[in-house]
Amino acid sequence: DAKTTQPPSMDCAEGRAANLPCNHSTISGNEYVYWYRQIHSQGPQYIIHGLKNNETNEMASLIITEDRKSSTLILPHATLRDTAVYYCIVRGGGTSYGKLTFGQGTILTVHP
Amino acid sequence: GAVVSQHPSRVICKSGTSVKIECRSLDFQATTMFWYRQFPKQSLMLMATSNEGSKATYEQGVEKDKFLINHASLTLSTLTVTSAHPEDSSFYICSARGANNEQFFGPGTRLTVL
Repeated sequence: DAKTTQPPSMDCAEGRAANLPCNHSTISGNEYVYWYRQIHSQGPQYIIHGLKNNETNEMASLIITEDRKSSTLILPHATLRDTAVYYCIVRGGGTSYGKLTFGQGTILTVHP
Repeated sequence: GAVVSQHPSRVICKSGTSVKIECRSLDFQATTMFWYRQFPKQSLMLMATSNEGSKATYEQGVEKDKFLINHASLTLSTLTVTSAHPEDSSFYICSARGANNEQFFGPGTRLTVL
């Protein structure tokens, strides 16, 4: 699976957009970029995923660069409840299809 | 999103006993379920992949005789920690993969071995 690199922590003011970057320079053509988040002592929550086009849902937007080597998760109006660890994961293909390998993620702290 | 439940949410046991954790997909069928373990301040570590009706595939370094996995139906997988010891204390999380290959996680089970 392609390795991802995320900043260990970020801060964001409540009501502002939170932009969380992720580098995945070794991603291959059939690998998707997934984003999950984990609030303390809970299971991870699916946020969004994409292949090469930008994606948007009710939770967030995902911007993937044209070369697919990096992406940005955007929470348009962060709230205190968005404080969590955010994981950017590149999903394996072939015999590894379906395995989600978690890195260290980014601790996002939303403050008043 | 789809719902995955785990039971129990929290368990405390004595060293040497065995503990069973259940993972259920409540509103979809899951041919594949995954078991993760998470130690404090660390990320999730995949332990094993469980396919309905077949033997689980364990990640390197995970003892299959200690962590018994059974996936007897399309909605239920169980993880049994046999002869648990204090170092097995951890947060165990399952996930289930649905028909569209989306993967949904359970709320986790906190195991404390005294």
